[in-house]
Amino acid sequence: NAGVTQTPKFQVLKTGQSMTLQCAQDMNHEYMSWYRQDPGMGLRLIHYSVGAGITDQGEVPNGYNVSRSTTEDFPLRLLSAAPSQTSVYFCASSYSTGDYEQYFGPGTRLTVT
Amino acid sequence: SQKIEQNSEALNIQEGKTATLTCNYTNYSPAYLQWYRQDPGRGPVFLLLIRENEKEKRKERLKVTFDTTLKQSLFHITASQPADSATYLCARRKDTGRRALTFGSGTRLQVQP
Repeated sequence: NAGVTQTPKFQVLKTGQSMTLQCAQDMNHEYMSWYRQDPGMGLRLIHYSVGAGITDQGEVPNGYNVSRSTTEDFPLRLLSAAPSQTSVYFCASSYSTGDYEQYFGPGTRLTVT
Repeated sequence: SQKIEQNSEALNIQEGKTATLTCNYTNYSPAYLQWYRQDPGRGPVFLLLIRENEKEKRKERLKVTFDTTLKQSLFHITASQPADSATYLCARRKDTGRRALTFGSGTRLQVQP
């Protein structure tokens, strides 16, 4: 099993550009989520999904969109990148709800200039 | 929403000693707390989950306690080794009825040889 994979590993965007961060898992996990991690602020939840076709907002959803058309994939879209979105983004999955251990991907380091 | 707090100052200890990290939470007691390890440039890795009806849980050199009166969890690493140097994160369910996790900002542990 590859576990949770994320692409790209690094990305530089200009303000106003859009892009999609990819996340995939091969463990047949129902629950997937996206976090951003900034120095001194820990992990903050952006969006999460409890199954295909079902998504919900986390603490910092503004500027991001998600969809969950399959169990395996949970892409995160930045609609119009801003410097405040410079961060490290982690995707995570778990067997069921957040009550189970989360498996994290390796992260995507995004810089917006 | 519920908050979770960890000591943001790094903890420096000598090899062989016991490291103790603290996680405090506010408002209602969560049904469980989770602990993760994060190495630089990598995603968090799950270590332990402790439920509110479990006062203590152990895994090899790791021990976690859960005190609902103090609203606190302690994470202990006995016979610490330089390889234990990392950032340790605790997490709880974000809100009652919402299946998402909220994380503390983490405590960096440095074990000196």
